[in-house]
Amino acid sequence: KQEVTQIPAALSVPEGENLVLNCSFTDSAIYNLQWFRQDPGKGLTSLLLIQSSQREQTSGRLNASLDKSSGRSTLYIAASQPGDSATYLCAVPSGGYNKLIFGAGTRLAVHP
Amino acid sequence: GAVVSQHPSWVICKSGTSVKIECRSLDFQATTMFWYRQFPKQSLMLMATSNEGSKATYEQGVEKDKFLINHASLTLSTLTVTSAHPEDSSFYICSARDRDTPYEQYFGPGTRLTVT
Repeated sequence: KQEVTQIPAALSVPEGENLVLNCSFTDSAIYNLQWFRQDPGKGLTSLLLIQSSQREQTSGRLNASLDKSSGRSTLYIAASQPGDSATYLCAVPSGGYNKLIFGAGTRLAVHP
Repeated sequence: GAVVSQHPSWVICKSGTSVKIECRSLDFQATTMFWYRQFPKQSLMLMATSNEGSKATYEQGVEKDKFLINHASLTLSTLTVTSAHPEDSSFYICSARDRDTPYEQYFGPGTRLTVT
């Protein structure tokens, strides 16, 4: 049974810091891994999707890496801004492309 | 592209009544839609998977007679919470899979249900 864990559960940093969010999964036989952002009371915004054959993906100040063999992914946020404050979720598909298994998320607060 | 909408965005209903939530894919055809539930400060839990024109598949522990799902077209799925109770109060989020990009799900903005 696939399980996804995210560390840390919460993070508070001053503006401008570079930070790393961690995601680990128990079953390395995944097709891809996806990082999402969720603002309070809102739906999910897809940030990055890494296919199993890829090592990393970049979008602006975000960089996500994937190490399937060790069951880990990291989301690197460069030069954090208050607008980055949100909950960040990682998810992997289970049972083909159907079921997404989510981690509990990392609640990020970036203060000015 | 790949926009998913939900209606309503929030709803308050009395205990014992039923409430329907709609999920629409606006600019693509969704052969599969998913319904998730999220309790405060918890992650998303898949409730059911619906394929257009067929019965939904429910996750273990989800009452199919309580959470009725209809996927009548390639752009619309509905979730009806029947005989709602306060413990059904939650944030319900749908997602849809574009048949052209089956490896990715696109999420709606969510519906906040409060049962009084």
